[in-house]
Amino acid sequence: DTAVSQTPKYLVTQMGNDKSIKCEQNLGHDTMYWYKQDSKKFLKIMFSYNNKELIINETVPNRFSPKSPDKAHLNLHINSLELGDSAVYFCASSQGDHNSPLHFGNGTRLTVT
Amino acid sequence: GENVEQHPSTLSVQEGDSAVIKCTYSDSASNYFPWYKQELGKRPQLIIDIRSNVGEKKDQRIAVTLNKTAKHFSLHITETQPEDSAVYFCAASKSNYQLIWGAGTKLIIKP
Repeated sequence: DTAVSQTPKYLVTQMGNDKSIKCEQNLGHDTMYWYKQDSKKFLKIMFSYNNKELIINETVPNRFSPKSPDKAHLNLHINSLELGDSAVYFCASSQGDHNSPLHFGNGTRLTVT
Repeated sequence: GENVEQHPSTLSVQEGDSAVIKCTYSDSASNYFPWYKQELGKRPQLIIDIRSNVGEKKDQRIAVTLNKTAKHFSLHITETQPEDSAVYFCAASKSNYQLIWGAGTKLIIKP
């Protein structure tokens, strides 16, 4: 009955590879997010989708491409991985466009070697 | 744009004492101020939030105060316990799409 689930939990890959992280929420929320947390613990928003529409696209390399097939899913595809992409990536969801709590997934620790 | 500053970056308190973490924001139109707790290796989780129409909110040992004039808000934890050890993040927003985060405070509870 996990509310926000993302897979995989760990991802170790080499530079130049392409990888995807999947996220699903069963809370019925309208809005989903991808956050990046670096080694210094800074939480940085990357993308936000509301009802499958992209509403936030921060300054992120175009190697990162989000895809939302429906409002319960938001996947993140990363092309040509670089060392600096190593971080923990969190998916989150919230209800609509109100100021409401974010529900985070358990994170995907990406290590690029 | 909005900016949120959080202090201190690290806070060490004796078990049983109180801890206070402070955040300041720059955009006077901000109206929602959540606090998240992130334990080591875990996901951030909301512990308390406050909206601009109230000045204080309490939930057991945790309280948040908001001073709109000075544009700052604080998290207060009383009677600290070992399980309070974590990184705490403040945030501010005008809408849920524009949540601006503080840099985090590592709270260490000394036995």
